[in-house]
Amino acid sequence: GAGVSQSPRYKVTKRGQDVTLRCDPISSHATLYWYQQALGQGPEFLTYFNYEAQPDKSGLPSDRFSAERPEGSISTLTIQRTEQRDSAMYRCASSLNPPGNPDTQYFGPGTRLTVL
Amino acid sequence: AQSVTQLGSHVSVSEGALVLLRCNYSSSVPPYLFWYVQYPNQGLQLLLKYTSAATLVKGINGFEAEFKKSETSFHLTKPSAHMSDAAEYFCAVSLSGNTPLVFGKGTRLSVIA
Repeated sequence: GAGVSQSPRYKVTKRGQDVTLRCDPISSHATLYWYQQALGQGPEFLTYFNYEAQPDKSGLPSDRFSAERPEGSISTLTIQRTEQRDSAMYRCASSLNPPGNPDTQYFGPGTRLTVL
Repeated sequence: AQSVTQLGSHVSVSEGALVLLRCNYSSSVPPYLFWYVQYPNQGLQLLLKYTSAATLVKGINGFEAEFKKSETSFHLTKPSAHMSDAAEYFCAVSLSGNTPLVFGKGTRLSVIA
């Protein structure tokens, strides 16, 4: 597509419910990142994919968070048993990953998650 | 571990005045440095990036930044502020070309007519 898209743009849920957020990267981009941005803070890394592989999950705050990218394109981020502290903007970014060059990450508009 | 410090969570300038947004980093190896801008209800957009070539980097919309290794700084400047520059600006660092970014907390720029 023309840019990175994310859905839904806004999600309000009740504590304890599961939510799934979706990211559709720029076509042909190999690498996909998920970031979490709390109010008044910069984005913080959650996890990333290189095609289908998920080399780094170190930023996921707990085992309630999981992500997948089964066909190396669209990715989903699932939060189980949501808690109020999960309320944040969730940002997805993709990059082309050319060899040897610092690559630009292109960001989607984000999903604003509110847990009541 | 890498980190980024942005001095000033909110900067206000008059239209036509110099814009200076400060960013200091810490990194154990020569870093790659980025400035992103976020307009309301939009995603982060890359302004410019430092990739160990020229230390003075020119970006979009008249912005530029200078990498100063001795000061571990990468401050963002624009000679003359425009109303359309009002946004939130984030400085970020990464260890290599395609690794997760570490962001600062951001600086909100207001431009006064």
